Amino acid sequence: SYELTQPPSVSVSPGQTARITCSGDALPKKYAYWYQQKSGQAPVLVIYEDSKRPSGIPERFSGASSGTMATLTISGAQVEDEADYYCYSADSSGNLVVFGGGTKLTVL
Amino acid sequence: QLQLQESGPGLVKPSETLSLTCTVSGGSINSSSYYWGWIRQPPGKGLEWIGNIYYSGSTYFNPSLKSRVTISVDTSKNHFSLELSSVTAADTAVYFCARAAVAGIYYYFDFWGQGTLVTVSS
Repeated sequence: SYELTQPPSVSVSPGQTARITCSGDALPKKYAYWYQQKSGQAPVLVIYEDSKRPSGIPERFSGASSGTMATLTISGAQVEDEADYYCYSADSSGNLVVFGGGTKLTVL
Repeated sequence: QLQLQESGPGLVKPSETLSLTCTVSGGSINSSSYYWGWIRQPPGKGLEWIGNIYYSGSTYFNPSLKSRVTISVDTSKNHFSLELSSVTAADTAVYFCARAAVAGIYYYFDFWGQGTLVTVSS
């Protein structure tokens, strides 16, 4: 099996920068993706291929990956960014895709 | 605009088979650019990939569920389906269907259905 490890929670005040990490042994060779899931809703893709933003995602969302860690950064976090965030990637074989355990972002 | 809609029983008895269908509208399931997948989320917990199917019928499964999962596609009806056999209370979850964009050796879920809660209970 393969695991992606995220911190359970991150808390920031509005306007501050939130950083959510995701660690996995295969990340040096595999892209990381990030999903935002608000309460009772389906996940929404916010970052793909480590650092690309889908259309419609605000510029304050950015991503980076170095070694075995990928990071989602929300610059100037807003109250509406409160959500659970999941990283997603594949194991070294590419046959198994997994989600991280999720990080609850609180903005208040 | 692409939409995915899950349908099926919301209550399944232990040891029986869970069956769900995902109907795709606003786009064709018959495309070489996408997989079509199932992901689940137990109440209060994280996301778990179940498996994918390609329009050709090729399937890919999470090894932890592979022995109990069947995924099929009906391109004429533009829908794909999930069957999970021998269910237990641990299979209680919100089940999402999603489109997976294929990018080289990678794929990622870019459009999701709203999800449907399936409870396993007698």
